[in-house]
Amino acid sequence: EPEVTQTPSHQVTQMGQEVILRCVPISNHLYFYWYRQILGQKVEFLVSFYNNEISEKSEIFDDQFSVERPDGSNFTLKIRSTKLEDSAMYFCASSEMAAENTGELFFGEGSRLTVL
Amino acid sequence: AQRVTQPEKLLSVFKGAPVELKCNYSYSGSPELFWYVQYSRQRLQLLLRHISRESIKGFTADLNKGETSFHLKKPFAQEEDSAMYYCALNSGNTPLVFGKGTRLSVIA
Repeated sequence: EPEVTQTPSHQVTQMGQEVILRCVPISNHLYFYWYRQILGQKVEFLVSFYNNEISEKSEIFDDQFSVERPDGSNFTLKIRSTKLEDSAMYFCASSEMAAENTGELFFGEGSRLTVL
Repeated sequence: AQRVTQPEKLLSVFKGAPVELKCNYSYSGSPELFWYVQYSRQRLQLLLRHISRESIKGFTADLNKGETSFHLKKPFAQEEDSAMYYCALNSGNTPLVFGKGTRLSVIA
């Protein structure tokens, strides 16, 4: 069964460093998402991406964040200058149709980011 | 604004006992509600959605618009049901909004 894969599973970085989290969505999916979950808190929406552009983003997704689909398979989340409060589990998700229409997202296992 | 509330962080029940995981939502329109589950060391996955009105792994959930609730129920809990359960709201114009989750622990 096809799955969303994410790398790395865990990354430790120093405050102020750039981080790139990578995701390979399910191959026939067209909609891609990043969510994050700070320890003990809820899963929060960051950004959605369709047709090579951002379709929606939350207040959390400020200028420090960017997403890219550099080739036909990868979907990346970049944090330009990490802050302590960026420490969280970052989940990538994809869907065949817009989530607003189906509600079913397929999630990766997450990348845990620890900022020291 | 859309909001999903799961009042219980942790719910412990004995095997064979009934389970009810509470979820309340705040949304002025017609929502779609979902339950997602995350078993230990596995990814977050869809458990069920209210529009399909089906039972998955013995779980059911009924949307009560009057009480703005979508509680997840199972008559007899099994040890393999132990997991994190997230209620989620789809308002039709924004991506899924999740609750904080409830950890269900089924004790043998």
